[in-house]
Amino acid sequence: DAEITQSPRHKITETGRQVTLACHQTWNHNNMFWYRQDLGHGLRLIHYSYGVQDTNKGEVSDGYSVSRSNTEDLPLTLESAASSQTSVYFCASSQGRMNTEAFFGQGTRLTVV
Amino acid sequence: GQNIDQPTEMTATEGAIVQINCTYQTSGFNGLFWYQQHAGEAPTFLSYNVLDGLEEKGRFSSFLSRSKGYSYLLLKELQMKDSASYLCAVEDGKLIFGQGTELSVKP
Repeated sequence: DAEITQSPRHKITETGRQVTLACHQTWNHNNMFWYRQDLGHGLRLIHYSYGVQDTNKGEVSDGYSVSRSNTEDLPLTLESAASSQTSVYFCASSQGRMNTEAFFGQGTRLTVV
Repeated sequence: GQNIDQPTEMTATEGAIVQINCTYQTSGFNGLFWYQQHAGEAPTFLSYNVLDGLEEKGRFSSFLSRSKGYSYLLLKELQMKDSASYLCAVEDGKLIFGQGTELSVKP
C-alpha cells in the first residue's frame, strides 16, 4: 500500500545544532508540505513543494529549509535549532493543485534543549 | 492575510448532534476541508466542499456558504470515539488550517 512516512518519530537535540527531519511518500504525489503543530496554533505551514526542484515558503518558514530532488522525498532542515522550534512536525502530500485530499505522516516530535 | 476561526473547545453528549462552525477570510479559495485528529495521531480527511450547500457522508455532514465565508461540520449520533480535534482548512493550492476544535463526547 502507498504511504507517507516520517523519521525519526521522536528526537531530542541541543540548541544550535542542525537537524533534518525526513519525509518519504510512495503515492507518487506532486505536492508535499511541512507543518508544525503547537498548542493554541493548530497546524501552521512551514514550506511546500509542487514538484521536483520547486519549493515555497509558508507562513512560518524562518529558520527552516527544504529541498526537493525527487518526487518521493521532502526533507526539512532546521539550520540552527532553537527552543522555539520544539514542536510536533507533520509532513503531508497530495496529487492535484485543487481540491485534492492531503495525506499526513504520523508526525515527528522534536524537542530542542 | 489568512484568517480561519473555529471554537477552541466543545462538549457534547453521546448520541447527540453537534455542529462545529468555521469562518474564514482568505486571499484565495478553491475549497474547504475538514479533518479529524485524535490525540497523538495524524489528521485524517473527513470531507470537503467546493460549492455552496450540504455534503453528507454517513454520520458526518459539512456545509459551505462561500458568500458568507462560513462552513460547519455536523456530527450526528455522537459516539465516544468521536472525541477528537476537528480541523477546518481552506485550500488554495495548499491547506491553511484553523486552530482546531477539541470535541469531548461525554457519556
